[in-house]
Amino acid sequence: SAVISQKPSRDICQRGTSLTIQCQVDSQVTMMFWYRQQPGQSLTLIATANQGSEATYESGFVIDKFPISRPNLTFSTLTVSNMSPEDSSIYLCSALTGTNSGNTIYFGEGSWLTVV
Amino acid sequence: GNSVTQMEGPVTLSEEAFLTINCTYTATGYPSLFWYVQYPGEGLQLLLKATKADDKGSNKGFEATYRKETTSFHLEKGSVQVSDSAVYFCALSDRGSARQLTFGSGTQLTVLP
Repeated sequence: SAVISQKPSRDICQRGTSLTIQCQVDSQVTMMFWYRQQPGQSLTLIATANQGSEATYESGFVIDKFPISRPNLTFSTLTVSNMSPEDSSIYLCSALTGTNSGNTIYFGEGSWLTVV
Repeated sequence: GNSVTQMEGPVTLSEEAFLTINCTYTATGYPSLFWYVQYPGEGLQLLLKATKADDKGSNKGFEATYRKETTSFHLEKGSVQVSDSAVYFCALSDRGSARQLTFGSGTQLTVLP
């Protein structure tokens, strides 16, 4: 298994500002992902965080709005830039562990952002 | 593409009732299947998983069997407790999609004492 720590766990942010969320995994993992969960909704994948290279973004998400870093195999950051109230969501970091036959994806506890 | 369809909620049950939350999937390959649970005010926790056909995942009294013939992974528990009140998400991970997860819409379960 993997223990994933995120910070901040919660924050209230002013419109137009940017916030960086940090994600730390307690072991080396092959893949890390960032998801968004808007209020009352399911989870939507933002991007795959690639170690040492640019993240791979899903349709509807762009690097200018959600820059991502992954400097090593256990750490990643997601920045939510120029925030608006529509960005109020839970942002979840996740990591893939295991082998091809037994892979499991674990999640951090999420970062609950409210934009005012 | 991949998709997961979950039984719509909310579901309200009395304590000790039998629970079934239906989940069916569409995938191009041979996915791994998961149930995640989100308790009020918390993040997502892995509840159980199954990685191949006929596997049964189980945890905390919950079970789900990977049925390839019906492309289903229904979640069951014989006797629910108030503490099981949460949102349950069915998800799949397809190696062809770089193993990222595709989630169902989530099912809110409320268990009344």
